Amino acid sequence: DAKTTQPTSMDCAEGRAANLPCNHSTISGNEYVYWYRQIHSQGPQYIIHGLKNNETNEMASLIITEDRKSSTLILPHATLRDTAVYYCIVRSLSGGSYIPTFGRGTSLIVHP
Amino acid sequence: ETGVTQTPRHLVMGMTNKKSLKCEQHLGHNAMYWYKQSAKKPLELMFVYNFKEQTENNSVPSRFSPECPNSSHLFLHLHTLQPEDSALYLCASSQEGRGGADTQYFGPGTRLTVL
Repeated sequence: DAKTTQPTSMDCAEGRAANLPCNHSTISGNEYVYWYRQIHSQGPQYIIHGLKNNETNEMASLIITEDRKSSTLILPHATLRDTAVYYCIVRSLSGGSYIPTFGRGTSLIVHP
Repeated sequence: ETGVTQTPRHLVMGMTNKKSLKCEQHLGHNAMYWYKQSAKKPLELMFVYNFKEQTENNSVPSRFSPECPNSSHLFLHLHTLQPEDSALYLCASSQEGRGGADTQYFGPGTRLTVL
């Protein structure tokens, strides 16, 4: 089972910031939080990951709460091409490998 | 381009056919994965290969048979499939270490239709 909880859907106006929340209350101390997105019928695309500190790259920012039980992915200036399903993932150790479990994610619709 | 390629991109097959899906990664990674994504469902992990050895098999039916001849190539052999096996099949790779951050990179997927 996925170890994260995300809203089913969100919408955002083009040019505005999109803030996508994720709860991961059972996360352990050495587990990273990953974000991916999947545009319709394509392979998931890696966005960003973090452990404790806030992270920023050319695609997005990741804000992790101090207790690490939740995080927020921020797309600072959403465009129509950011319409996708966004997955928040915490991996778990299984058989010697860290296995990500994808939930249903958040369907983000960016409208004009 | 993520450095992970999959062929074919689309495949239509009958229930009695035998076909294979191919995945190749150009990232120097040591772990490769097969996922299945049915319509309106989350990604389901099928198989994991780490250093060419299968480390995970998520109760996948035997009509799906993976093969990993080296760390850059992964195959999924298909035989006597059912219509409910129609789905998007995704391959991914990562550089697995001891804990830490090991990002997965996905291929574009193969859209499979079983008639």
